[in-house]
Amino acid sequence: EPEVTQTPSHQVTQMGQEVILRCVPISNHLYFYWYRQILGQKVEFLVSFYNNEISEKSEIFDDQFSVERPDGSNFTLKIRSTKLEDSAMYFCASSGLSWNEQFFGPGTRLTVL
Amino acid sequence: GQNIDQPTEMTATEGAIVQINCTYQTSGFNGLFWYQQHAGEAPTFLSYNVLDGLEEKGRFSSFLSRSKGYSYLLLKELQMKDSASYLCAHRAGTALIFGKGTTLSVSS
Repeated sequence: EPEVTQTPSHQVTQMGQEVILRCVPISNHLYFYWYRQILGQKVEFLVSFYNNEISEKSEIFDDQFSVERPDGSNFTLKIRSTKLEDSAMYFCASSGLSWNEQFFGPGTRLTVL
Repeated sequence: GQNIDQPTEMTATEGAIVQINCTYQTSGFNGLFWYQQHAGEAPTFLSYNVLDGLEEKGRFSSFLSRSKGYSYLLLKELQMKDSASYLCAHRAGTALIFGKGTTLSVSS
């Protein structure tokens, strides 16, 4: 069964450093998403991406964040200058033409020290 | 505004039936979703309702009343592996807006 994959599974970084989180969505999917979940809190939408551009973004997705689809398979989330409060699990998701089922990847746990 | 309320925790025993309720407020309704999330893992899709009524899928069923802003997830014949968080969400544009989730503990 096709699945969304994410690397790395865990990333530790120093405050102020840049991080890039990587995702490989399901191959025939067209919509890609990033969500985050701070420990013990709810899953929060960050951004959706379609046809090589951002469709929607939340208030969380400020100028420190960017997304890119550098090739036909990868989808990345970059945080330019990490802050302590960026520590969270970051989930990538993808969906086909129907938005009705978003498939989530296993997540990357980001720890900012 | 957009708001989702669901109970924080529930407990049940193996073989029982449990109903997890969710109320929501949204300026534009585009469907109500239920996801399951085991601790430390990703959310996995369980069900989707866009019309009023009951959708049944094996041991899991989901109900929606749009006029009341209300949904529930019904889990039958509970198994230990059903211990997880159950997340109610609605779609706003392309985004899923999640509630805080209900942690279900199933005991033997």
